[in-house]
Amino acid sequence: DAKTTQPPSMDCAEGRAANLPCNHSTISGNEYVYWYRQIHSQGPQYIIHGLKNNETNEMASLIITEDRKSSTLILPHATLRDTAVYYCIVKDAGNKLTFGGGTRVLVKP
Amino acid sequence: SAVISQKPSRDICQRGTSLTIQCQVDSQVTMMFWYRQQPGQSLTLIATANQGSEATYESGFVIDKFPISRPNLTFSTLTVSNMSPEDSSIYLCSVYGTRDRASYGYTFGSGTRLTVV
Repeated sequence: DAKTTQPPSMDCAEGRAANLPCNHSTISGNEYVYWYRQIHSQGPQYIIHGLKNNETNEMASLIITEDRKSSTLILPHATLRDTAVYYCIVKDAGNKLTFGGGTRVLVKP
Repeated sequence: SAVISQKPSRDICQRGTSLTIQCQVDSQVTMMFWYRQQPGQSLTLIATANQGSEATYESGFVIDKFPISRPNLTFSTLTVSNMSPEDSSIYLCSVYGTRDRASYGYTFGSGTRLTVV
């Protein structure tokens, strides 16, 4: 299974863009990158996913490098409610999601 | 996305007893999974619940400790057997694939917070 590496924590300012990096250097050509977040005491919430192309939805943008070895999740205008643990996950061939340690994001006023 | 109802939401149990957690989905789903999240930790996959057959367990998890049932495409149970304080965790159900093909993400239940005393 492709593993992901994320910084354990980061702070960002309310109203500014938050850029969350993720390394997945062993990713295979047909494996998707998923991003989830977990707000305290809740189940993980789906944010976005992608294969090769950059993706955008109402929550975030996902930028995947051309070699697919890394990606960045962008929260365009962080709010206090975006404080959470963010998980970058590579979905394996068995359709299982294997969670790593994630990045604990603290949005400060 | 699919809506998951997970019960109970929390429980406090005596050591040596067993607890069965239910996961009900509002639509037929292709895959159902069970995760454990120990205090302060990330999620760890316990097993994939297979409809009509034995679950597929991840390394470190066994059927005798965590028996799983999935009688149909919308329902699954996880039992935590012969509990000890080390089993105190949040247990989460997750599903993948719905009839609405626009719902391509994995959906998670809100979890069952288990405390073993």
